[in-house]
Amino acid sequence: DIQMTQSPSSMSASVGDRVTITCRASQDISISLAWYQQKPGRAPKLLIYAASSLQSEVPSRFSGSGSGTDFSLTISSLQPEDFATYYCQQANSFPITFGQGTRLEIK
Amino acid sequence: EMYLEGSGGGSVQPGGTLRVSCAASGFSISNYVMNWVRQAPGKGLEWVSTISVDGVITHYANSVKGRFTVSRDNSKDTLYLQMNSLRAEDTAIYYCTRYATSCSGDTCYRWFDPWGQGILVTVSS
Repeated sequence: DIQMTQSPSSMSASVGDRVTITCRASQDISISLAWYQQKPGRAPKLLIYAASSLQSEVPSRFSGSGSGTDFSLTISSLQPEDFATYYCQQANSFPITFGQGTRLEIK
Repeated sequence: EMYLEGSGGGSVQPGGTLRVSCAASGFSISNYVMNWVRQAPGKGLEWVSTISVDGVITHYANSVKGRFTVSRDNSKDTLYLQMNSLRAEDTAIYYCTRYATSCSGDTCYRWFDPWGQGILVTVSS
């Protein structure tokens, strides 16, 4: 199984901050990585696919990078609506696996 | 707009059975591989099952293998998850979601989008 490890597990930041969340895969997954945002009581929402492709209608302050085993999600200037939990995922190999999540809170 | 609407959740005793459904609108599921993902209270996302377009090929997480069965009715644009021998640890919100794919040459990249609104399943005596 491919293990996905996110860091940090939680963090606090202020509106306007630049934030980076990292995700490490236990083996090479090329660029087969997606990022999701989840707000309390809501379903996950796709932000980034294929490591760096921005999903339609997702604000350009979100960006993804990386390949192989190391990936990152960056929010260039945090907005109030960005405080949520973020998950990475590899969906090319079974079992499909998610990172444990990064909870982003307001400082 | 693409939408997945789940139904059939509820409360069941340990050892019991439940079938949840997910109906698509705005697109036809007959063209797509489909999935179930769950989220236990206060926990992260856990992939549960995947079913091929024709329903012939299925995959399951080890935690549900032999107890859960995924199926689909493409004529009704509906996905199902039959859950048997339910345990307390199966308590979760269950999401249905579409498998999206982009291929470049021989290499394909996959992700989940869109997601249904979630179906609450509670297993408790």
